[in-house]
Amino acid sequence: QKEVEQNSGPLSVPEGAIASLNCTYSDRGSQSFFWYRQYSGKSPELIMSIYSNGDKEDGRFTAQLNKASQYVSLLIRDSQPSDSATYLCAVNHYGNNRLAFGKGNQVVVIP
Amino acid sequence: ETGVTQTPRHLVMGMTNKKSLKCEQHLGHNAMYWYKQSAKKPLELMFVYSLEERVENNSVPSRFSPECPNSSHLFLHLHTLQPEDSALYLCASSQVGPGVSNTGELFFGEGSRLTVL
Repeated sequence: QKEVEQNSGPLSVPEGAIASLNCTYSDRGSQSFFWYRQYSGKSPELIMSIYSNGDKEDGRFTAQLNKASQYVSLLIRDSQPSDSATYLCAVNHYGNNRLAFGKGNQVVVIP
Repeated sequence: ETGVTQTPRHLVMGMTNKKSLKCEQHLGHNAMYWYKQSAKKPLELMFVYSLEERVENNSVPSRFSPECPNSSHLFLHLHTLQPEDSALYLCASSQVGPGVSNTGELFFGEGSRLTVL
């Protein structure tokens, strides 16, 4: 079983809509969860971190964590063309400096 | 200088060449990393230097050799690579240690695109 799975194919959303991305992880001991955004030809940049169950909102982004079900999701509200990128889910143990990444989900926002 | 800088940005080498990738971080962090990013695959952690201790992924071939002379500089020495080693090599840094709750907040450089002929 892969450590971090992001199974959805490219996601196309119209401008102004909500983009929803999901990620599951295999290690129940995981305690820290992150979403990175990577534009084509660029390096990943951290956009959200979440450590406890529930929702965390930051601007148009909302991260949702459910440790019992071992999934973390990212919602992008009012999607903009500038949100078109690949979104990487990453997971690790508290205090552990080794992140496990998923393959990423490509999001395309259509004007 | 800001953040994490990597040189060269692009490198083409033959299988018999020896080259090195360089990374420098200006964030005052105490951990540095090398990641490999290949198409359609997850980011693969190759090496970690953290609090002067090296941790490596045992699946990384010996033709890749890291060097970390201090907490701000990291090198990846390349020797007799194979075409399948062609990828984007990303350097990252972070702050780790007791009391650091945000471990996992990596700051990446722009990467070195390596092509092995």
